[in-house]
Amino acid sequence: AQKVTQAQTEISVVEKEDVTLDCVYETRDTTYYLFWYKQPPSGELVFLIRRNSFDEQNEISGRYSWNFQKSTSSFNFTITASQVVDSAVYFCALSAPNQAGTALIFGKGTTLSVSS
Amino acid sequence: DAGVTQSPTHLIKTRGQQVTLRCSPKSGHDTVSWYQQALGQGPQFIFQYYEEEERQRGNFPDRFSGHQFPNYSSELNVNALLLGDSALYLCASSPILDSLNTEAFFGQGTRLTVV
Repeated sequence: AQKVTQAQTEISVVEKEDVTLDCVYETRDTTYYLFWYKQPPSGELVFLIRRNSFDEQNEISGRYSWNFQKSTSSFNFTITASQVVDSAVYFCALSAPNQAGTALIFGKGTTLSVSS
Repeated sequence: DAGVTQSPTHLIKTRGQQVTLRCSPKSGHDTVSWYQQALGQGPQFIFQYYEEEERQRGNFPDRFSGHQFPNYSSELNVNALLLGDSALYLCASSPILDSLNTEAFFGQGTRLTVV
C-alpha cells in the first residue's frame, strides 16, 4: 500500500526564518514520483516541486530546496528566508504511475504560519 | 491560457439529494482526476478519466460517478448525499496518461455543504 505521512500538523515561524517541512512515504513500487503542493486559503493546489525515484540529487530553486533520501523514504522541503506570503498548507504527495492511471496520494498536510 | 476551471464554486444541498460538479481541464490536457478534501485533511483520490473512460478509482462508493466528454471536460456526480460528503472537491488535469513527467494542475475546487 502507498502512504504519505506528514508528522508536523502546524509550524509557526517569524519572517526570514528557514523552515523545513518533513515528509515520509511508503511504496513498493520502484518507479514513483514525489511532489510538494501548496494550498493557499483560496483552495487551489499549487505545484511546487517534483522528483522521480531515480534521481536523488537535491536541488535549490530560489528560496525552495528539497532533500530526497530513498534510504529513509523521506522527501523534505525547505523554505529559506520565509515570507508572510508563504503562509499556507503544504502537502507532500506520491504517485506511482501504472497502466491504470496516475493517482496522487497526499499526506494530511502541514499548516505553515509566517508572522512579520 | 486558462487553467483548470470548476463550477460551481460553492453549493449547498440537502441529505439524499444528488449533485453534479463540473470541470474544464487546462488547455492541452486530456486526463482529468477528481479528489475529495475534507476539512483539515489531504485530498483523497476519487477517480481518473482518460479517453472518456474511468481508468482508475479510489476507495469511494458507487454513489460517486463521473463522466468525461469528447472535449475532455468532466463531471462528478454524487447520489444520495450524506452529511459526510461535505468537502472541497478538487479537479486536476494532466497531459497524457502515464507520462513520465505527469504533473497535475488543480482547479480552485467546489465547496459542497450537505445539510
